[in-house]
Amino acid sequence: AQTVTQSQPEMSVQEAETVTLSCTYDTSESDYYLFWYKQPPSRQMILVIRQEAYKQQNATENRFSVNFQKAAKSFSLKISDSQLGDAAMYFCAYRRRWSGTSGSRLTFGEGTQLTVNP
Amino acid sequence: KAGVTQTPRYLIKTRGQQVTLSCSPISGHRSVSWYQQTPGQGLQFLFEYFSETQRNKGNFPGRFSGRQFSNSRSEMNVSTLELGDSALYLCASSFHSGFSGTPQETQYFGPGTRLLVL
Repeated sequence: AQTVTQSQPEMSVQEAETVTLSCTYDTSESDYYLFWYKQPPSRQMILVIRQEAYKQQNATENRFSVNFQKAAKSFSLKISDSQLGDAAMYFCAYRRRWSGTSGSRLTFGEGTQLTVNP
Repeated sequence: KAGVTQTPRYLIKTRGQQVTLSCSPISGHRSVSWYQQTPGQGLQFLFEYFSETQRNKGNFPGRFSGRQFSNSRSEMNVSTLELGDSALYLCASSFHSGFSGTPQETQYFGPGTRLLVL
């Protein structure tokens, strides 16, 4: 079974600074997808960034980027120029390649609560 | 394009009752997944439906069931409610053409239904 581990229950960062959230996963699959979602106090789960395992290039989305180390099974999220609106719970998630017969599911880590200090 | 919608947003029930939650996916999305979020267990996968068929099921008792309609809308039902069923229930949709390896693997989440069992 796949597992996802986020070892940092809480992190804090000063506004405009950079912070990195850690995530490791375990899988025997070779074809899969990794995601970072954020969940603000509204509880709405919002996609931040996604990474396909077959792509060596790290994904970036504006101020958000990842460091994907496939051999080490590590998938960290870097937030640059942190803003107050970035404060939220961040979840790392894994999903194996979907198939029409067996579908697939997201497996989530425990989450990291990010605080942004003004 | 409208996002994933879930109704109702809040629900209070008593032990022993049953409840039905509804989810309407993003237009064009045919896969719907359900997740339970609790402080103690985190985010756990319930089931996934695609083309009106359950494709994947999590480790929940038979009191939890679901279905999908021809318009891709989905419902989940919990019978004989227990106190431990109090949770945020999240629905997510994603696009799949029905063939393995379609590029869109991202799940988009609705705002959730918060269920309180007294």
